[in-house]
Amino acid sequence: EVQLLESGGGWVQPGGSLRLSCAASGFIFNSYAMSWVRQAPGKGLEWVSAISGITGSTYYADSVKGRFTISRDNSKNTLYLQMNSLRAEDTAEYYCAKGDSYSSSSGSFDYWGQGTLVTVSS
Amino acid sequence: QSVLTQPPSASGTPGQRVTISCSGGSSNIGTNSVYWYQQLPGTAPKLLIYRNNQRPSGVPDRFSGSKSGTSASLAISGLRSEDEADYYCAAWDDSLSAWVFGGGTKLTVL
Repeated sequence: EVQLLESGGGWVQPGGSLRLSCAASGFIFNSYAMSWVRQAPGKGLEWVSAISGITGSTYYADSVKGRFTISRDNSKNTLYLQMNSLRAEDTAEYYCAKGDSYSSSSGSFDYWGQGTLVTVSS
Repeated sequence: QSVLTQPPSASGTPGQRVTISCSGGSSNIGTNSVYWYQQLPGTAPKLLIYRNNQRPSGVPDRFSGSKSGTSASLAISGLRSEDEADYYCAAWDDSLSAWVFGGGTKLTVL
C-alpha cells in the first residue's frame, strides 16, 4: 500500500526557513517523480515543485523559484522541500504527491499525503 | 488568476448529469494530457481521471473525462450526495515548464 507522510510544518516568521519532509513507502521510491502541491486556506491547489525519478531533474513554480529547493534521498525513501525567505503568501497546507512515472512533466499525481500546514506570520 | 479556467461552482440534483469545463491553451491542454482531481471536504485531493479519459481502479464509471482542442470536461452522471466536493483539472504547461491547475469547481448536490 502506498503511503506518503508529510512532516515539518509549523509556524515561522516572514523571512524564516522551514524544511518539509515526506516519508514514502509501498513503492519503489527512486523510480517515480515526486511533487509538492500546496493549498492556501480556502483557496485552490497550486503546484510548487517536482523532482524526477532516476535523473533527479527539478522544476519549480515561478512563485517559489530561487527560494525553495526540492530534493530526495532515495536511500531513505524521503522527499524534502527546503523553504527559505518565507512570505505570508506561502501560508498553506503542503501536500506531497507521487507521480505515476519517472517523469516530472507527464503523468498523474496518483497518490497524495495528508498534508502539513505551514503558517508564515509575525 | 489560474492558467486553466474552470467555473467556480456547479450544482445538480441526485441522479442528474453535470459537466465541469476546463479551458486552457496550446501549451498545456492543447499539447498534453488533462488530469482531474476530487477533493472531498477536509481531505487530500484524489486522482479521478488521468490521460484525459482514463479512470483509476476504484473510480466509478459515473465519472468520465474528455478533451477537445484546448478544452476538457469532466462529466458526472447519476449524481450522488457523496459527489459533493471540489474538482480540479491539471495539465503540464510546456511554455512554463510547470504543472498548472484550474481554480477548482465546487460541486453542490441539491
